[in-house]
Amino acid sequence: DVKVTQSSRYLVKRTGEKVFLECVQDMDHENMFWYRQDPGLGLRLIYFSYDVKMKEKGDIPEGYSVSREKKERFSLILESASTNQTSMYLCASRLPGSNQPQHFGDGTRLSIL
Amino acid sequence: GQNIDQPTEMTATEGAIVQINCTYQTSGFNGLFWYQQHAGEAPTFLSYNVLDGLEEKGRFSSFLSRSKGYSYLLLKELQMKDSASYLCAAIKGNDYKLSFGAGTTVTVRA
Repeated sequence: DVKVTQSSRYLVKRTGEKVFLECVQDMDHENMFWYRQDPGLGLRLIYFSYDVKMKEKGDIPEGYSVSREKKERFSLILESASTNQTSMYLCASRLPGSNQPQHFGDGTRLSIL
Repeated sequence: GQNIDQPTEMTATEGAIVQINCTYQTSGFNGLFWYQQHAGEAPTFLSYNVLDGLEEKGRFSSFLSRSKGYSYLLLKELQMKDSASYLCAAIKGNDYKLSFGAGTTVTVRA
């Protein structure tokens, strides 16, 4: 089974802090994704990476950056956390191909105070 | 985006059938996914449709009509454990990106 592991289930940070969310997958997947999930809005794509050191902006990249130095690890960075970034963050990975399902981690519930 | 529309909530009785509808924009469409997400857990893959017709997987089936921009997920012989949110997601062309609907929360009552 594919295992996507996110470093924290719950995280509380303060406004202005730099926040790192880590995601690791163990199935050698080329593609990795970061989403945020908010009530009534569904999953919205922040950034994705189709291979090591590659990254592309998703639909809501403002205030975020990413890093993919190794194939198995995809990090999401909040450069200067703000209260409107309080959300559930989900990481996913998949093999290349439009018919390939994405496999999700359990999510990190991030609160910015 | 793909403007994915699905109902917000549905309620059904244990043992019954529920159909969750999903509509999407047809331009560039190249496949539709359904995911199940229990509260506080990760979404898990249920089905993928790219051709017209019905795909059956045990108690769950998914249907697609490409010309109508329409899909549904059919849950049969409902069990209490089927209470969850069901997410419809469409992919466009060879894009890496999935566009998700807001999800349909299904509550199964005894």
